[in-house]
Amino acid sequence: NAGVMQNPRHLVRRRGQEARLRCSPVKGHSHVYWYRQLPEEGLKFMVYLQKENIIDESGMPKERFSAEFPKEGPSILRIQQVVRGDSAAYFCASSSTGQGDGYTFGSGTRLTVV
Amino acid sequence: AQTVTQSQPEMSVQEAETVTLSCTYDTSESDYYLFWYKQPPSRQMILVIRQEAYKQQNATENRFSVNFQKAAKSFSLKISDSQLGDAAMYFCAYRSSYNNNDMRFGAGTRLTVKP
Repeated sequence: NAGVMQNPRHLVRRRGQEARLRCSPVKGHSHVYWYRQLPEEGLKFMVYLQKENIIDESGMPKERFSAEFPKEGPSILRIQQVVRGDSAAYFCASSSTGQGDGYTFGSGTRLTVV
Repeated sequence: AQTVTQSQPEMSVQEAETVTLSCTYDTSESDYYLFWYKQPPSRQMILVIRQEAYKQQNATENRFSVNFQKAAKSFSLKISDSQLGDAAMYFCAYRSSYNNNDMRFGAGTRLTVKP
């Protein structure tokens, strides 16, 4: 029974390129959350999705960032025209009910923008 | 807005000894959940322990226990009989019962275990 699967584990992009991060939640989980972690800091909420719907994107920058969780397939966090400040670890988490249970986290994708 | 504060950036403990990590939070809500997560060098976020605010009894998971003081908005983690494998970053987190979207994390405490 796989947990939350994120890929790639490491991603290097040049400034101006697009970064695409994938997250497959725990089987049966319909709630997906994306968090960003800067070095030596805690996780900062970005976006919360349920199947085919964005529920809350209040933590996600309005420009260049987008997220989706299609009916079939993984959730995708897309960052267009990356800049050095986008370098961080991006974590995906999933839960079954969204009602106070702890999240199951993936191992994260470390994005480095050069 | 809810905030979570971990005032100890780093802590160290001798193997087999006990250590307590501090966490305070700020909220106007009466019903919520609190968590401690462990993040080893592998970066995996591992749930250590969970506490529901409406429960007065402190949660316990084997060597891990919490001291939940609701009035003081304090939620400390005690690790007993520390092991080398306990070395990691520990994050305290708050989750509202009213807004399930958003788990708020503290900045973390790096725990070192000395053999």
